[in-house]
Parts: sequence; structure tokens; C-alpha cells
Amino acid sequence: GNSVTQMEGPVTLSEEAFLTINCTYTATGYPSLFWYVQYPGEGLQLLLKATKADDKGSNKGFEATYRKETTSFHLEKGSVQVSDSAVYFCALSQTGFQKLVFGTGTRLLVSP
Amino acid sequence: GAGVSQSPSNKVTEKGKDVELRCDPISGHTALYWYRQSLGQGLEFLIYFQGNSAPDKSGLPSDRFSAERTGGSVSTLTIQRTQQEDSAVYLCASSSRGREDTQYFGPGTRLTVL
Repeated sequence: GNSVTQMEGPVTLSEEAFLTINCTYTATGYPSLFWYVQYPGEGLQLLLKATKADDKGSNKGFEATYRKETTSFHLEKGSVQVSDSAVYFCALSQTGFQKLVFGTGTRLLVSP
Repeated sequence: GAGVSQSPSNKVTEKGKDVELRCDPISGHTALYWYRQSLGQGLEFLIYFQGNSAPDKSGLPSDRFSAERTGGSVSTLTIQRTQQEDSAVYLCASSSRGREDTQYFGPGTRLTVL
């Protein structure tokens, strides 16, 4: 079946450091890929998405590229801020199936 | 406009009691989803509605769980004879027709079964 694997957290960084959170997936066909973010005390928010191979999703300085050859969708940001501290979830949805399949989430902690 | 709302925000119940959780989707959104977020299982899909029908209820963990949607809007998730393992945050999301890949989530209902 479909699945998403994320790197274990927490990821602890200093402000302005470079961020990578790894995400790989298993799916048949061409799923859509997503990153969701959950800030402390808040609900899930869509951060970015990509719907086909080689697409790059971007938002708020975050980027992720849909790599079909490596079945990956790694999240990157060049310079993190304290306000980026949150839990990040990688997810996929299979064409024709509406449900999202989530990874386990990666907690990011950014210190000043 | 208003986002997805859920009520109650917190619910504490005793084992064996029934609970109802409510979701109000974004106005005009035709698709509605329920997910569950728990420490042991992460984020799991429960059920999906398109209009008032549920073409995918594959994630409901047992027959104690049921959901309905009326008027193409509000949805209620009912858990009968609650068990301690039902303790979790229950999330609702909605999306518009033709944009089902972009789901907007509500703040969730935290259910604690004592």
C-alpha cells in the first residue's frame, strides 16, 4: 500500500541555519505530494505541494522538489527562524483516492 | 472567510459512553474528511464524504465508529461504547470540488476516554 517515511525528530537548529527534512514515499502511479505544518496549539496547515515529477513546491521560503527517480520529496529552507518551530508532516494522495497518507511528522526546534 | 470549525474542542468521557464530534466545513466545500491523530498511530484517515455520501470509509477502525453528513455541510462522527484507545485528536478537513488535493483542516477535537 501507499506509505510515507520521514526522518525522526526532533531536529534542533540555530536561527539562520539550513534545514532539510527528508521524506520518501511508496506509491503506485503518480501521487500528489504535500508538506503540512502544525504550529504549537494550532491545526494542520498546507505548506506546499507538488503534483507531478520534477515539480517544485514553494512557500514561505520552504521548498520541496518531487523526485520520482528517488521517490523523495525533501523539505528545505535556506535560513530558518525561531517562528518556524513546528511539526512538519509529509503526505501523499493517490490520484482517484482522496485521502491523505501522512508520515509520522518531524518536530523542528529553532533556537535564537 | 471562515475556516473549518469543530466542536467541542475538548471532550472527556468515561469508558463505555457514546460521543459525538461535529465538523462544520468551509462553506461551499463539497468534500469532507475525518482523520485521527494519536501518539501511537500518527495521523490516520478515517472517512471521506463527497456531498452526503461516503465513498471511502476504509479507515474507520471498528463498527463502533460511524459518521454522517447532512445537507452537504455539517458532519458528525459518532463513537459508541468508547474505549481508552479511542483517545486522540480527531481532525476534520474539507476541500472544494475539483481541488480535492488541497484539504483545509480544522483545529481538531481532543477526546480523552478515562
